[in-house]
Parts: sequence; structure tokens; C-alpha cells
Amino acid sequence: EVQLLESGGGLVQPGGSLRLSCAASGFTFSNYAMNWVRQAPGKGLEWVSSMSGSGGGERTYYADSVKGRFIISRDNSKNTLFLQMNSLRVEDTASYYCAKVLSGKSYGNEFDYWGQGTLVTVSS
Amino acid sequence: QSALTQPASVSGSPEQSITISCTGTSSDVGGYNLVSWYQQHPGKAPKLMIYEVSKRPSGVSYRFSGSKSGNTASLTISGLQAEDEADYYCYSYAGSNIWVFGGGTKVTVL
Repeated sequence: EVQLLESGGGLVQPGGSLRLSCAASGFTFSNYAMNWVRQAPGKGLEWVSSMSGSGGGERTYYADSVKGRFIISRDNSKNTLFLQMNSLRVEDTASYYCAKVLSGKSYGNEFDYWGQGTLVTVSS
Repeated sequence: QSALTQPASVSGSPEQSITISCTGTSSDVGGYNLVSWYQQHPGKAPKLMIYEVSKRPSGVSYRFSGSKSGNTASLTISGLQAEDEADYYCYSYAGSNIWVFGGGTKVTVL
């Protein structure tokens, strides 16, 4: 059974940093691209970042809204995805979901499994 | 990276059919057959309902179908049931390794 478990959310001041983790199990983690998607309270979904699997050279991609501030990474030996969030802004407040792509050939086209989300609150 | 345009809400009676539209541009929805749809119940993670415009993942009811014409994709729910009441989001590849969601549509079963 595929499971994705995010952690690391919390309250942080504007300008601060936070590192999210997503522990994966139930599939060959290294073979699949992984993504972060966020959802501000009461708002819609927003794609944040994608990282390809080992077969795709572990390339990284970012939404313009986070480019230069967030860094996605992965540790395939520990089946874990990360999101390092720097220079956080109030508008980054959201639940952050990690999501697995459906196909090993895809980077971020469709997600068949999602975590339960971890809440990040940026406030002074 | 503008969000795709969806109606804020759609409603229907049980057993009716409803269609949710998702309008983008030739740079996203119209340019690629890479539109997917997600269902999200309150407090839950999204669930994949349709991918690559019209493909249904294993386990998703046949009552859900997808299509695309030009820059607009559509999700149709036939035989509407109470458990279909949820938020629905479209999602598309937008080129240059960027992806974009729609603003979401709240489906209400009357």
C-alpha cells in the first residue's frame, strides 16, 4: 500500500525558513517524480514544485511564486522528499501536500497518491 | 502561470448529469492532452478522477468522464450521487515544465 506522510509544518515568522519532509512507502520511490502542491486555507490547489526520479536525472522545477526561495530535494536511500522553504511570506501560508506521479515517465502531469498535508503558517 | 478558469459552483439533482468546464489557453489546456481532474472532500486530500483528458484510473466510477475541445476541458458526472458533493479541480501541463490548477468548482447535490 502506497503511503505518503508529510511532516515539518508549523508557525514561522515572515522571512523565516522551514523544511518539510515526506516519507514514502509502498512503491519504488526512486523511480517516480514527486511533487509538492499547496492549498491556502479555504482556497484552491497550487502546484509548487516537481522533482524527477533517478531515471529523469532528478531535475527540479518550480512555480514562479516560489522560484528562488524554495528548494525541492530527495533522498532515495531513505524514500524521503523534502521542501526547503526560505524567505517565507505570509502568502505562503497553506497546507502542503506531497504527491506521487501516476507514471514513471511523468514529471508532474497527474498524481495518483497524496499525503494528508502539513500546515505551514507564516505570521508575525 | 494564470490559474485555469472554472465555474465557482455547479449543482444538480440526484441522477442528473452535470458538466464542469475548465478554460485555459493554447499554451496549456489547448496545447497538450495532459489535463487531469481531482475530487476533494472537505478536510481530505485530493483524489485523481481523470487523467490525460479522458482516462479513468482504476477504481474510479464510470460515471466520471472527461473531454476537451480547443482550450476548454470538461468533466461530466452522470447519475449524480450524494457522495459526489465535493470540490473539483482541473490541472494541466502549461509547457516549460510548469503545471497549473484551475480555481476549483464546488459541486452541490440538491
